[in-house]
Amino acid sequence: TQLLEQSPQFLSIQEGENLTVYCNSSSVFSSLQWYRQEPGEGPVLLVTVVTGGEVKKLKRLTFQFGDARKDSSLHITAAQPGDTGLYLCAGQRNFNKFYFGSGTKLNVKP
Amino acid sequence: DVKVTQSSRYLVKRTGEKVFLECVQDMDHENMFWYRQDPGLGLRLIYFSYDVKMKEKGDIPEGYSVSREKKERFSLILESASTNQTSMYLCASRRKANYGYTFGSGTRLTVV
Repeated sequence: TQLLEQSPQFLSIQEGENLTVYCNSSSVFSSLQWYRQEPGEGPVLLVTVVTGGEVKKLKRLTFQFGDARKDSSLHITAAQPGDTGLYLCAGQRNFNKFYFGSGTKLNVKP
Repeated sequence: DVKVTQSSRYLVKRTGEKVFLECVQDMDHENMFWYRQDPGLGLRLIYFSYDVKMKEKGDIPEGYSVSREKKERFSLILESASTNQTSMYLCASRRKANYGYTFGSGTRLTVV
């Protein structure tokens, strides 16, 4: 059983649509990160959220950390084919360990 | 930009071989990590090191060992490769706790 559950596992949408990806847990995290991974490459850090209720924006991507610091969401506005990839959330609970979700595979069709 | 370099993108090894996976980072990061990534299981932590010559077991250390003789280099060793160690191996580093990871491009290891 994963400590962090991501949903949906797969998402295939048309260019221009909006979408939201969820990362949920019953555990509290001191911080949470989102990564994007393209095929054949390592994950690349998109954002770190630390404070409960925190919202961060990165161009068309909006990240929110839940008030209780147990969950997070990633919203993409007007998705583009370049957004295609595997989105991973990772929560930190103690000094050196991040726990990764199994990811959401997004495909944006032109 | 921080760069994490893994020595091989693809490796094919035979069962029972000793396998070395090398990882080098160029930004003086304190912490380094080895993960394996398998479909449906996400990233699982094998070992990590928070300083030179220091190492800690992660969630799945069995069948693996590590070496960190210099700050920039963290090696993962498969003592006797088995087919269930076929996977994508990812090395990561970070400056210190609470910072994000920088990952290498990964090594796809196949054990036959």
